[in-house]
Amino acid sequence: EVQVVESGGGLVKPGGSLRLSCAASGFTFSDAWMSWVRQAPGKGLEWVGRIKSKTDGATTDYAAPVKGRFTISRDDSKNTLYLQMNSLKTEDTAVYYCTKGFCSSASCPYYYYYIDVWGKGTTVTVSS
Amino acid sequence: DIQMTQSPSTLSASVGDRVTITCRASQSISSWLAWYQQKPGKAPKLLIYDASSLESGVPSRFSGRGSGTGFTLTISSLQPDDFATYYCQQYSTYPWTFGQGTKVEIK
Repeated sequence: EVQVVESGGGLVKPGGSLRLSCAASGFTFSDAWMSWVRQAPGKGLEWVGRIKSKTDGATTDYAAPVKGRFTISRDDSKNTLYLQMNSLKTEDTAVYYCTKGFCSSASCPYYYYYIDVWGKGTTVTVSS
Repeated sequence: DIQMTQSPSTLSASVGDRVTITCRASQSISSWLAWYQQKPGKAPKLLIYDASSLESGVPSRFSGRGSGTGFTLTISSLQPDDFATYYCQQYSTYPWTFGQGTKVEIK
């Protein structure tokens, strides 16, 4: 079964740091483009950032609100994705989802990936 | 950034109704659009990708159409399990952006 399982959420004070982990199984993690998506309480979905596979350079992109504060990394030997969150703000309070990217026969030639697998999420609360 | 706008924000419907949700992009995204379903306290689930392709295992009552800037998600005959919030998302350009969501409620 293809699945991703997040961990590491919790309560942290403003200005603090937290590292989320995402354990992947059931697919070739090293080939996957992975993303983090978050959802603030009662709000919609917000893309946080993405890391490509090592084959594609393992490059990262981030949403403007987290750029410079959050870092996505991967350890293919452990089938694990990470989200290092620094300088946390109250507005970073959300459920954080680890997601797996996929491309169709139509979109792969152009490197257009969509999310086909979501984890159950881990809750991050930033509060004093 | 590409803005995604869904309408309506809330939709009240009955079991058996045909339901259509609209999603508009602020600039052309070709067909690089996905639709997700989310139930309270659960992770989103992929329904449609590439604007009109049905994800494996998703009931055929769900369908997607559109290209460029205008897209629709249609549920041909609403079932009790379909009451949820639906999101469109563009993957044409980073940053990926989502619509604000459409909540489908029981009438």
